Amino acid sequence: DTEVTQTPKHLVMGMTNKKSLKCEQHMGHRAMYWYKQKAKKPPELMFVYSYEKLSINESVPSRFSPECPNSSLLNLHLHALQPEDSALYLCASSQDPERDEQYFGPGTRLTVT
Amino acid sequence: QKEVEQDPGPLSVPEGAIVSLNCTYSNSAFQYFMWYRQYSRKGPELLMYTYSSGNKEDGRFTAQVDKSSKYISLFIRDSQPSDSATYLCAITGSARQLTFGSGTQLTVLP
Repeated sequence: DTEVTQTPKHLVMGMTNKKSLKCEQHMGHRAMYWYKQKAKKPPELMFVYSYEKLSINESVPSRFSPECPNSSLLNLHLHALQPEDSALYLCASSQDPERDEQYFGPGTRLTVT
Repeated sequence: QKEVEQDPGPLSVPEGAIVSLNCTYSNSAFQYFMWYRQYSRKGPELLMYTYSSGNKEDGRFTAQVDKSSKYISLFIRDSQPSDSATYLCAITGSARQLTFGSGTQLTVLP
């Protein structure tokens, strides 16, 4: 089973709202990732969690705040977003940080109004 | 120059054709090579993973790596309309972070 689940599938939020995106995997993977993907572009890495600790933050604005409550869950908290933050947000996991194969979830399509 | 170059297409072929998708890369430290398929409005799906020069086959899909030329390919035999998607190459090195190509949009016409 190589399933990564993400909720919600779609999210519309105003610039003053606070919302959270959720990601879950039950494959026992110890590395989890957040990516942002704009239309007709490849995914861009935002954050990497390795053994539940934040290991990489790709200079992402502070209005995006990741959280890893346990080894199966990954959250992305959103606050005071801008319209240009509208995108598909993808979660991925890999067996461990040393393994290359990453398995992606279906994504959350976020629209900021 | 981008680290990974991929022809964005779009590429349109008739059903049953052999499809060739290609990427070139510039960093000789890259060691691991993947192909992802992404349907519209969905997450990328891992199709193939390889780390050595040569060919790797899985059903109708063949991944080919030529490290000396820094060139990777994905071949799809007997292409089907259900293969219509965007195909992304992804390459990593010792840092284990995926560097994606820009993606090739493929349409297989029935």
